[in-house]
Amino acid sequence: KQEVTQIPAALSVPEGENLVLNCSFTDSAIYNLQWFRQDPGKGLTSLLLIQSSQREQTSGRLNASLDKSSGRSTLYIAASQPGDSATYLCAVPYSGGGADGLTFGKGTHLIIQP
Amino acid sequence: NAGVTQTPKFRILKIGQSMTLQCAQDMNHNYMYWYRQDPGMGLKLIYYSVGAGITDKGEVPNGYNVSRSTTEDFPLRLELAAPSQTSVYFCASSPATYNSPLHFGNGTRLTVT
Repeated sequence: KQEVTQIPAALSVPEGENLVLNCSFTDSAIYNLQWFRQDPGKGLTSLLLIQSSQREQTSGRLNASLDKSSGRSTLYIAASQPGDSATYLCAVPYSGGGADGLTFGKGTHLIIQP
Repeated sequence: NAGVTQTPKFRILKIGQSMTLQCAQDMNHNYMYWYRQDPGMGLKLIYYSVGAGITDKGEVPNGYNVSRSTTEDFPLRLELAAPSQTSVYFCASSPATYNSPLHFGNGTRLTVT
């Protein structure tokens, strides 16, 4: 059974710092990995999707990497801003391409101090 | 662009009552999902559907039922509500292709007392 772990569970840093969030998964036979952002009282928003054939994906100040062989992904946030404060979750398909859903980590709760 | 719409936003039920959580998407997505999110426990998949008329159980289906009569709608039915069903429920959808992002609604916060 696929299991996803995120470290740290919570992180508080001053504005302007670069930071890294970690995600690990137990079954490396994945088609893709997604990073999501969740604001309090809201649903999840997909930030980045990395296909299994890719090593990195970038969107603005966000960069996600994927190392399938070691079962790890990282989300790098450059020049953090208070508006980046949210919970960040990673997820991988239960099986195959994900038609039967994603399994999620418990998330990293991020606070950026002004 | 409505995306995925969930109603109601909040609901309080008494033990033993029943209700239906509504989910509709206007993106013509074939795949739809129901998740529940409990504090400190992450998201757990309840049911999913890969198209109209097709549904299947996820990780935690007990106490719930679903139907998918149209591409747009995927309601979740709670029969005989129990305190253990107190949670935030999210509906999500994606196109029927590999490597497509998942789109979430804003959730329904349900309390069973």
